[in-house]
Amino acid sequence: GENVEQHPSTLSVQEGDSAVIKCTYSDSASNYFPWYKQELGKRPQLIIDIRSNVGEKKDQRIAVTLNKTAKHFSLHITETQPEDSAVYFCAGNMDSNYQLIWGAGTKLIIKP
Amino acid sequence: SQTIHQWPATLVQPVGSPLSLECTVEGTSNPNLYWYRQAAGRGLQLLFYSVGIGQISSEVPQNLSASRPQDRQFILSSKKLLLSDSGFYLCAWSIQGGGYNEQFFGPGTRLTVL
Repeated sequence: GENVEQHPSTLSVQEGDSAVIKCTYSDSASNYFPWYKQELGKRPQLIIDIRSNVGEKKDQRIAVTLNKTAKHFSLHITETQPEDSAVYFCAGNMDSNYQLIWGAGTKLIIKP
Repeated sequence: SQTIHQWPATLVQPVGSPLSLECTVEGTSNPNLYWYRQAAGRGLQLLFYSVGIGQISSEVPQNLSASRPQDRQFILSSKKLLLSDSGFYLCAWSIQGGGYNEQFFGPGTRLTVL
């Protein structure tokens, strides 16, 4: 079955710098890769997603890249701000599967 | 627009007591429904999912059970809670059909078993 690995588990960056979180997946049939942000004590919320027919997607300071050959995808946050501090989860799905397979999460700390 | 409700928001229960958590979705029909558990500082563990009324799939063996008595109602239960059942319980829904489905999470129930 599908397995999603996420790293690093913790990432500390200076405010204003960029942050990159990486995930790898095992099943080449996976075709949908969302990223969720979970603030302390809150529910996870989708911040960006990408489908396997696209290599990159941007939304203001957030971007996701997908390398299907290498089976990895990454979240890029530029010009980080204090409100970016949270836990970020990646996930992978299969077209015929109702489940999302989740990465273990990355705690992003933005240092002032 | 769609909304998802969970209650209670917090719960403190003694070991061995029963549990019932409820989740309801508004504004959509025939959704996929999910129960997740999140231990403190940890990731999301899928417990159950349902693609229709009375259809429940279990992902991990445990002393929990789930039921879907109505299209937009999902209930998580236990007859006897264990200390290890403590955690943040999240209900989620997605559009029926699988594939490119964003999952929308409820506000969660924080359960502490003492």
